[in-house]
Amino acid sequence: QVQLQESGPGLVKPSETLSLTCSVSGASVRNQHWSWIRRPAGKGLEWIGRISGSADYNPSLRSRVTMSVDTSRNEISLRLTSMTAADTAVYFCARNHGSGWHFDLWGRGTLVTVSS
Amino acid sequence: EVVMTQSPATLSVSPGERAALSCRASQSVGYNLAWYQQKPGQAPRLLIYGASTRATGIPARFTGSGSGTEFTLTISSLQSEDFAVYFCQQYNIWPCSFGQGTKLDSK
Repeated sequence: QVQLQESGPGLVKPSETLSLTCSVSGASVRNQHWSWIRRPAGKGLEWIGRISGSADYNPSLRSRVTMSVDTSRNEISLRLTSMTAADTAVYFCARNHGSGWHFDLWGRGTLVTVSS
Repeated sequence: EVVMTQSPATLSVSPGERAALSCRASQSVGYNLAWYQQKPGQAPRLLIYGASTRATGIPARFTGSGSGTEFTLTISSLQSEDFAVYFCQQYNIWPCSFGQGTKLDSK
């Protein structure tokens, strides 16, 4: 059974950089597409970016986002710089369905709060 | 970006009854529409993609319909485990975008 587990700091200070990890069990991260998605409090879900070999990022976040894949650890990582209160959200990792743009497997998400 | 609007925000339905959840796109997304279910503390689960194709393991009581800008998720004969938040997603126009969700609760 494939499972995704997000991890990272629950609290980040304004202007700092967020680093999150998604650990994948039951499947290899190789040759699949993986996305990060977030849900700010009181708002709808927002797709952040997708990575396989190369990465695609939401234009609204592109200047601040970096995603990477670590095949040795079977993990996907997200880095988001210059955090503000608007970045407070639950962050999810998800597997894209094939090479498509819907998501057939999600993690439970991790809450990140931006506050001094 | 395509704006996805779900209605109602909250829907109260009795177990055993039928629920119909609506999702509207600000421009045509063809059949490239997915529905997800999320329960508190759990990962979202893919229910429907391609507007009407049930994902693996999804019971037949979940039906997706519609195309273009108007979509409906129908759950016939609600079970206790169906009370959750449902959200739609278009993936026809990049970047993909999601609705705000409909909370389905028990009357």
